[in-house]
Parts: sequence; C-alpha cells; structure tokens
Amino acid sequence: RKEVEQDPGPFNVPEGATVAFNCTYSNSASQSFFWYRQDCRKEPKLLMSVYSSGNEDGRFTAQLNRASQYISLLIRDSKLSDSATYLCVVNNPSGTYKYIFGTGTRLKVLA
Amino acid sequence: DAGVTQSPTHLIKTRGQHVTLRCSPISGHKSVSWYQQVLGQGPQFIFQYYEKEERGRGNFPDRFSARQFPNYSSELNVNALLLGDSALYLCASSPVGGYTEAFFGQGTRLTVV
Repeated sequence: RKEVEQDPGPFNVPEGATVAFNCTYSNSASQSFFWYRQDCRKEPKLLMSVYSSGNEDGRFTAQLNRASQYISLLIRDSKLSDSATYLCVVNNPSGTYKYIFGTGTRLKVLA
Repeated sequence: DAGVTQSPTHLIKTRGQHVTLRCSPISGHKSVSWYQQVLGQGPQFIFQYYEKEERGRGNFPDRFSARQFPNYSSELNVNALLLGDSALYLCASSPVGGYTEAFFGQGTRLTVV
C-alpha cells in the first residue's frame, strides 16, 4: 500500500462546479497535513494546511478524518485558473522530517 | 520579498558526471529540504537540513549528498550521474526544522544523457 494515495484523475469539470478530491494515508501517527497545487512544469505551491477541525480559505475547504486516515479538498465555484495538479502531503513521523507527497490529482476546469 | 531561489534552472549532464545544485531559502528561514520529482510522480524526499545539520535523509543512494552553509543556503551534490537521475530537483524552505509549512523554489530541471 502506498503511504499517500490519491486518485490521479483527470477530473474535468465545468466552470462554476464544485469538485472534491480525496487522499488516504497509511501511517496513523502522522500529524501534519497539507494540500499543494502544482501547475505544469512548475514548483508545488502551498494551498493550505489541513487541521483536525477542518478549515476553509475562500472557495477551498479541507477536512481531515483521523479515524479513517483520510483527507479531502473541496473546491467550490471552480475557475479556469484552478486547473492544476493538487498534491496531498503528509508527514512521515519517523523522525526524518520527511514529507510524503501523493502522486497528485489533475483538475481541468472547462469553459 | 525574495522567495526560494534555485540555480541553475536547467542543466544537461552526461552519465557519470557530477552535478551541484544550489538553493537560497527565504530570508529568515533556517531549514532547507531537497526533493526529487520525476514526471508523473509526486516529489520524493532526499534531505532536510536545519541549522547546518542533516536532520533527515530519504531513500537515496550515497551518490546524493548535501550541505547547508552558515547563511542557510544549501547545495545538493549528485555523483556518478545515471539516466534515472533526470528529474526536477526542488528545494523547500521552512522557518524551522520539523513538520512546518514548506515553500518551494522553482526547481532545477536536470537532464542526464
């Protein structure tokens, strides 16, 4: 089983749609969770941290379910500029200060 | 404000050669991590340095080494390059070591021929 698993997509959605991405992680001791956005051939950019109580930043909402070891990202009112790959990131709590990235979910927002 | 800067942005090397990649973190950040990203995959952790000490190492061969300087900038060195080392090498900067938010530079795209 991969340490962090994501559906690679692609998710093709019309402008204005709501889309949700899911991510599962294997190590129940993980404590830090993030979503990054990566445009084609660019560096990953931090979208948001994910907190146990869930958190929202504008059109973006992140949720964490520790019992199921599951993280989600919801994007409301999708914009063309949201088209990118979304990377789920989890820390490896083994003491190596390592972040584990999923392979990413591709989103394409269509006009 | 300057973000994370990496140099060079692109590099072509021949198998067996050595390469040095450089990274300057965000001003005030004391931790630098290195990641390798091959096409279609997420970044893979190589090293983390904090206050000039190695704090973490991923599953990469000894051909990969790194160091951090007193000004918190960092170098990643790869010896005896293989075709499989072709990738985007990313440097991430964090205020402190450990599991804090990380900010990436634009990366160095290395092609080994």
